Formats: sequence, structure tokens, C-alpha cells
Amino acid sequence: SQKIEQNSEALNIQEGKTATLTCNYTNYSPAYLQWYRQDPGRGPVFLLLIRENEKEKRKERLKVTFDTTLKQSLFHITASQPADSATYLCALDRTGGFKTIFGAGTRLFVKA
Amino acid sequence: ETGVTQTPRHLVMGMTNKKSLKCEQHLGHNAMYWYKQSAKKPLELMFVYSLEERVENNSVPSRFSPECPNSSHLFLHLHTLQPEDSALYLCASSQDLSNGEGEKLFFGSGTQLSVL
Repeated sequence: SQKIEQNSEALNIQEGKTATLTCNYTNYSPAYLQWYRQDPGRGPVFLLLIRENEKEKRKERLKVTFDTTLKQSLFHITASQPADSATYLCALDRTGGFKTIFGAGTRLFVKA
Repeated sequence: ETGVTQTPRHLVMGMTNKKSLKCEQHLGHNAMYWYKQSAKKPLELMFVYSLEERVENNSVPSRFSPECPNSSHLFLHLHTLQPEDSALYLCASSQDLSNGEGEKLFFGSGTQLSVL
């Protein structure tokens, strides 16, 4: 069955460092991969979308890579800040539409 | 503010109660969704509507009943729920169901449901 794996353990890093979160998937060939941020008690908020023919996407301090051979995406936050502390969800979609499937998310803590 | 509003934010109900969750989107989107999020589990897609027509029902028990009276409003009617139904229920919308370019989802803040 389709499976998305994100680090279930929280990631703790120091302010100013680069945070790297991993998303691995099996039994799936996504055409699109998205990253969302979710704060406690709130719904997820869209951050970035990357297509299968794109290797890398950047937006301000965020960078996403997509390796369809390794079946892996890496999500980087450079110069991290305490305000970046949240849960980050990886989401995959094959159709470009509504059958998006989500990972369970990785909790990030950035210490001042 | 994502443009998707859910009410109530919190709901406690007994197993014999009937209640409804409400979602409204102000984005002019054509597709709306209900997701269930249990602690430390991935979001589970429950229902999908496109232009007020249901297009997906992911084997959801009949004690959950969706309603989409127009493209801006979505309801989830609840009756005779079980304690394991306690979770965060999220409403989302997207411009269209599938445009071949990858649809971004816009989520509401959710309703935290506790079934006693």
C-alpha cells in the first residue's frame, strides 16, 4: 500500500541553523509533492509545491528537493527562527487533483 | 487568515447526540473537502465535493453525513458517534478538483471534536 514516512521524532535545532526535514514514500509515483506547515490547533498552511520534473524549488528561506529515484523529498529552512517552530507535513499527489495523501508530519522546535 | 472558516472550534458531544460542523470558504473555489486528523496520524480524506456534487466518499461510516448546499458552504452532520471518532475535523478548499498543475489546499482551523 502507499506509504509516506516522515520523522516521527521531533527535530530540535538552534536558531540560525538550517533545519532539514525528510519525506520518504513507497509504492507511489507522485506527480506533485507539497509541503504544509501546521501550528497547534490550526489547519495546515500551504508552503511549496514541486513537480516530478523539478529537482529543486526555493521560496525565501525555504528550499525543497524532489528525488524520484530515491523516492524522497528534503525540506530545508535556512537561518531558522523560533517562529519556524511548527509541524511540517509532506503531501503527495499523482493526479494533480484531489487524491492528495499526507504524511503524519515532523515537529520542529527552533531554540533561541 | 486562509479564507476558510470553520465553526464551532470545539465540540463535545455524547454518543447519542446529533450535531453539525460548518465550513464556509470566501475564496471563490470550486472544490471543498472534509479531512479527519487524529493525533500523530496522517490526515484522512473523508469527502470531496466539486461544484456541489460529491465526488469522493472514502469508505466513511454513515454516522458522518456531508452536505454541500452551494459552492461556498459545506456541512458535516454527526449522529451516534463513537469515542474513537474524537479528532480534529478539517475543512479545505481548492480552486478546482484537478487542473493538472497540482492543487493547493486551503484549510480552515478545524473543529476539535470530543465524543464522550
